[in-house]
Amino acid sequence: QQPVQSPQAVILREGEDAVINCSSSKALYSVHWYRQKHGEAPVFLMILLKGGEQKGHEKISASFNEKKQQSSLYLTASQLSYSGTYFCGTALTQGGSEKLVFGKGTKLTVNP
Amino acid sequence: DTEVTQTPKHLVMGMTNKKSLKCEQHMGHRAMYWYKQKAKKPPELMFVYSYEKLSINESVPSRFSPECPNSSLLNLHLHALQPEDSALYLCASSPMGGSWTNEKLFFGSGTQLSVL
Repeated sequence: QQPVQSPQAVILREGEDAVINCSSSKALYSVHWYRQKHGEAPVFLMILLKGGEQKGHEKISASFNEKKQQSSLYLTASQLSYSGTYFCGTALTQGGSEKLVFGKGTKLTVNP
Repeated sequence: DTEVTQTPKHLVMGMTNKKSLKCEQHMGHRAMYWYKQKAKKPPELMFVYSYEKLSINESVPSRFSPECPNSSLLNLHLHALQPEDSALYLCASSPMGGSWTNEKLFFGSGTQLSVL
């Protein structure tokens, strides 16, 4: 089952903050975050594991609440370089194999 | 070397052509993946190779044929494709494969495929 991301798109001015949410109808053990800039490959940002821990990457941090089956990505004091599409990924077990399934993505645009 | 290299970057092919996409990594990763990505959509998993064996095939049509000659190389052979197969094809690798509790994907820059 594909995780659900919100919002679908965000437009910011440089220096503003944003939150991207990722939720699942199934129990989560980990949540993965990737960023893809236009015309480029997705790049790994961080993995959040069970335990409600927070992690950070530059001024980007994230939280994971396994009870609520959701994760949030926090972009603080956004920079132009933060523009791109952010995907969360969750593990799905199917037919004895585990695979990573991505949400539909959140397009972030940071303007000067 | 933390790169996944894909060739070619762009490919245009007719519906009767046979072509191959190539992917290479030298990070010692034991799992390699093919993803398909349509514009404004997330990457969709096609195949997973773990320790050079096909471990996941996401019911992909037989006109796509993966091959893993060794732990560093991954090919995707294409034959009799349809225009709706036009997409960005991404290769990725990860250290171990299997459990996603602590595994991260390293993506190549992809091959933009157009089927005429």
